[in-house]
Amino acid sequence: EVQLVESGGGLVQPGGSLRLSCAASGFTFSNNAMTWVRQVPGKGLEWVSGISGSDDSTYYADSVKGRFTISRDNSKNTLYLQMTSLRAEDTAVYYCALDGYYFDTSGSRIDRFAYWGQGTLVTVSS
Amino acid sequence: SSELTQDPAVSVALGQTVRITCQGDSLRSSYASWYQQKPGQAPVLVICGKNNRPSGIPDRFSGSTSGDTASLTITGAQAEDEAEYYCNSRDSSGNHYVFATGTKVTVL
Repeated sequence: EVQLVESGGGLVQPGGSLRLSCAASGFTFSNNAMTWVRQVPGKGLEWVSGISGSDDSTYYADSVKGRFTISRDNSKNTLYLQMTSLRAEDTAVYYCALDGYYFDTSGSRIDRFAYWGQGTLVTVSS
Repeated sequence: SSELTQDPAVSVALGQTVRITCQGDSLRSSYASWYQQKPGQAPVLVICGKNNRPSGIPDRFSGSTSGDTASLTITGAQAEDEAEYYCNSRDSSGNHYVFATGTKVTVL
């Protein structure tokens, strides 16, 4: 059974830093791309960052580029999101998700965030 | 443009059919995936690709795409289908993803 468990959320002051973790189990972590998605309470979903499973390429939404860093430790089956220079607008529930994309028989890429964690709340406030 | 647009809310009578649409340029080159989210819960994948349902998703959920518009159809809506539904796709860069703002489905 695939399980994703986020941790590390909490209250932090504007300008501060926080590191989120996502412990993965039930699948071959090193072979899979992973992603972070956030959700301001009561609002919609926002893709934040992704990391490939092959060459550790990383990708960021413009809203967090230069402030957030995604990484992974395949020996620990853990995904991370280092967040710096935090702002009030970064307040959200942060979800990690398994980016289980694949290619169908016609060669088309099928994107899917197949599994999600339960989320961890980050509150940026003084 | 990397934006995806959904209607904010739709309602459907119990047992009837409802279609939720998602429009955006990125859908011309990337398939949409659809997520159901109930209050206080994490999103759940319901449809991906042309019309692929993960294991455990009822077959009353189906997907389709035409041009710049993807659709999620619930045929014979049940009370438990009341939720927020989000579509998602890769943007034109191919390396970033974008979510639409979501559609609140109310089952009457």
